[in-house]
Order: sequence, then structure tokens, then C-alpha cells
Amino acid sequence: EAQVTQNPRYLITVTGKKLTVTCSQNMNHEYMSWYRQDPGLGLRQIYYSMNVEVTDKGDVPEGYKVSRKEKRNFPLILESPSPNQTSLYFCASTLSYMRRVNTGELFFGEGSRLTVL
Amino acid sequence: AQTVTQSQPEMSVQEAETVTLSCTYDTSENNYYLFWYKQPPSRQMILVIRQEAYKQQNATENRFSVNFQKAAKSFSLKISDSQLGDTAMYFCAFMTGSSNTGKLIFGQGTTLQVKP
Repeated sequence: EAQVTQNPRYLITVTGKKLTVTCSQNMNHEYMSWYRQDPGLGLRQIYYSMNVEVTDKGDVPEGYKVSRKEKRNFPLILESPSPNQTSLYFCASTLSYMRRVNTGELFFGEGSRLTVL
Repeated sequence: AQTVTQSQPEMSVQEAETVTLSCTYDTSENNYYLFWYKQPPSRQMILVIRQEAYKQQNATENRFSVNFQKAAKSFSLKISDSQLGDTAMYFCAFMTGSSNTGKLIFGQGTTLQVKP
């Protein structure tokens, strides 16, 4: 089954304790991205990756890191989480934005609810 | 900068009736895509319908259709014959055709409650 898998789905942690949210897709997609969802703000892009070893900042990258060592994986790293990073996080992927096959559709994971105390 | 606005935080509709969710956007681009995503209580983001700006014909997917008014920069979603399973938060989203970031710009969301 084609899917984007995120882990963990739920996490409660404390300020300053490093954590990683993993994201894996099995569709051979080149493009992957992370969004955070907050009430009244919709979803906002944190980071994106056009392909392996190519990453760039989105609109709200502060406090986050990413890596893209393999095509299928795109982990989101919070080196020192703070309460303002309490949010619902989504990983998403699509075939490519470099070719002229851009349909715009993103395939989303099921979301990771993170609470930082 | 592009923006997307959903001015209805919450809406409700009786089962089997029709409801329209509003969305306006702002852009200076001429080539772009518009989307409606559904987020049920399971939190999964599900693509409902997609519209290319260069197409004049409004997109339709079964009970879901859009009213795309390019000059007015309006992109409303009509749900016909509402079903209990349509209860969800709905997000309107925008992406430029020339995007090299793949970024979707989302509205704030509208929570729709379908009542039996």
C-alpha cells in the first residue's frame, strides 16, 4: 500500500529534550516536506527536500532540523524543543517538482501530535 | 506574498442538504493550483478536489464541486447530499504553478458538522 508513515503518532516531552519524528514513504517520491498545523493558522511549511541531500527552509524553520540521506526517509529533528513547538506535525511527499508533471497533490502522513511541557 | 483566507471557522448542515464553504486567495500569479483538503477526526489529510487556474471549467468529484471565480480570487467548495462522513475540517490551499518549493499555502480551516 502506498503511504507516508510517521512515528511517533503521539509524544509528550519536556523542554530541551532532543527528539526526532521519523517520516518514510514507499512511493519513490523525490519531494518531501514537513508542515505544522496550529489552530487558526492552518498548515505551515517547516522544511522541504527536492531530492536526496537537497533540503531547504520553509516558512517556519526556526528550532527544527532535517536531513535527507535516503530517498524514502525525511526525519524532523527538534534539538531543544520548547513549548511553542507543541503542534500537530505532518510529513508529505509527491513525485517531483523538478519535472513538468507537477500536479500539486501532496500525499500526507497521518500526523504526529507533539506536546512540549 | 500569497495568502488564503477561510472566513468561516465553523459550519453545520443537516444530513442530505447542501453546504458551501468559502475560500478567497490573493496572488499576482496567473498560473496556479487550488485545492480542498479534508481532515476528519482521524487527522488524515485527504485531497477532495483540485483546480488548475488556467481551466475555466469548475472541477467536480462526485458530490463535491467548486465554484472557481478567478477574477474575484474566490474558490468555494459545494458539498451536495451531505453525509455524516463529511464531518471534518476542510482546508483550502494554493500553490503557484512556478513553485520551486512545492509549498502549499493553507487557509485557516473550516470545521464542518453534518447533523443527522
